[in-house]
Amino acid sequence: DTAVSQTPKYLVTQMGNDKSIKCEQNLGHDTMYWYKQDSKKFLKIMFSYNNKELIINETVPNRFSPKSPDKAHLNLHINSLELGDSAVYFCASSWGDSGRAYEQYFGPGTRLTVT
Amino acid sequence: KQEVTQIPAALSVPEGENLVLNCSFTDSAIYNLQWFRQDPGKGLTSLLLIQSSQREQTSGRLNASLDKSSGRSTLYIAASQPGDSATYLCAVRVYGNEKLTFGTGTRLTIIP
Repeated sequence: DTAVSQTPKYLVTQMGNDKSIKCEQNLGHDTMYWYKQDSKKFLKIMFSYNNKELIINETVPNRFSPKSPDKAHLNLHINSLELGDSAVYFCASSWGDSGRAYEQYFGPGTRLTVT
Repeated sequence: KQEVTQIPAALSVPEGENLVLNCSFTDSAIYNLQWFRQDPGKGLTSLLLIQSSQREQTSGRLNASLDKSSGRSTLYIAASQPGDSATYLCAVRVYGNEKLTFGTGTRLTIIP
């Protein structure tokens, strides 16, 4: 009965590789997010999708490309991985209607280590 | 640009004591404020959500208050327990924007 799930939980890869992280939510939410938590534990938004449409795209390198095949899934693909991409990536979901103030629910995170 | 700060960065308290965690934000035009806890190596667990029109929210031993005009929120934890040890994060959402802006976090340690 997991609400927001991510795979894999851990990902160790070499510089230059391409990798993907998957996220799924079974809460029926229409908005999903990707956040990055750096080594100093600071969390920052990367992307947000509402009904499969990109609505937030912070200053993130083009190497990062989110893809939302449907409302329940938001995957993150990263090309040409760099050492600085090492971080914990969190997926989250919520209702995105600005007329409502619903909570965001977070997945368990994916710890990416680039060597 | 919204900035969220949490002070102190770390706090150690003997078991059983009541404590207050602080969160301040620079832009008072917020839609809501959410408190989370994060255990080491784990994800975020939502604790409380306060709408901009509310002054406080309570859940068990937790009470969160919001003062929009001064740009401050507090999380009060009563009768602290070792299981409360975690990092506590506050995050704000501004009008017209879906994203949460997170604070820097307070690492709380309850000493048995």
